[in-house]
Amino acid sequence: AQKVTQAQTEISVVEKEDVTLDCVYETRDTTYYLFWYKQPPSGELVFLIRRNSFDEQNEISGRYSWNFQKSTSSFNFTITASQVVDSAVYFCALSGTGANSKLTFGKGITLSVRP
Amino acid sequence: DTEVTQTPKHLVMGMTNKKSLKCEQHMGHRAMYWYKQKAKKPPELMFVYSYEKLSINESVPSRFSPECPNSSLLNLHLHALQPEDSALYLCASSQDWLGYGYTFGSGTRLTVV
Repeated sequence: AQKVTQAQTEISVVEKEDVTLDCVYETRDTTYYLFWYKQPPSGELVFLIRRNSFDEQNEISGRYSWNFQKSTSSFNFTITASQVVDSAVYFCALSGTGANSKLTFGKGITLSVRP
Repeated sequence: DTEVTQTPKHLVMGMTNKKSLKCEQHMGHRAMYWYKQKAKKPPELMFVYSYEKLSINESVPSRFSPECPNSSLLNLHLHALQPEDSALYLCASSQDWLGYGYTFGSGTRLTVV
């Protein structure tokens, strides 16, 4: 069975602070995919990143960066110099392949960035 | 076109009504999905279609009936819903079973009265 744990439920920061959102996953698959999605108050799920299990390189995209560590089954997401527009619910998700390609989501982290 | 389009964006229906949600993508994706999301919860998978065939039904009540008329279109037919079925219904598609290009639509916010 696949499982994604986002232990943080709500985080509140002041604008320009850095913030890290944690994600820990469990899977028996050797090939799997990890995702982060952002869901702003308007409701749509916005794709942020997809990482496959064979690619442990960290990734940076503007103010966003991701740290994937298979040894600890973690895929953490850092926002540098946060902005009010970053306020949203962030979901980490896991999919396998074949019949396991459905996405298993964590419970989500509500991030509030105050001006 | 890199979008999944869902219509309508909002829907209010009575418990005796029949309505349909529509999802369309023109990315050539061969897997399409319906998810249900209640407030403050993560999305939950309802159905998966792969190559226009239903491959996963997550024990969804029969008052929800999916249909995939062609590779670009996915419908969710609703009949005799309950107020607890009120939720955001999200459609997604991916290139294939490997989950490449997993893309969500913006959802239909359904209210059952």
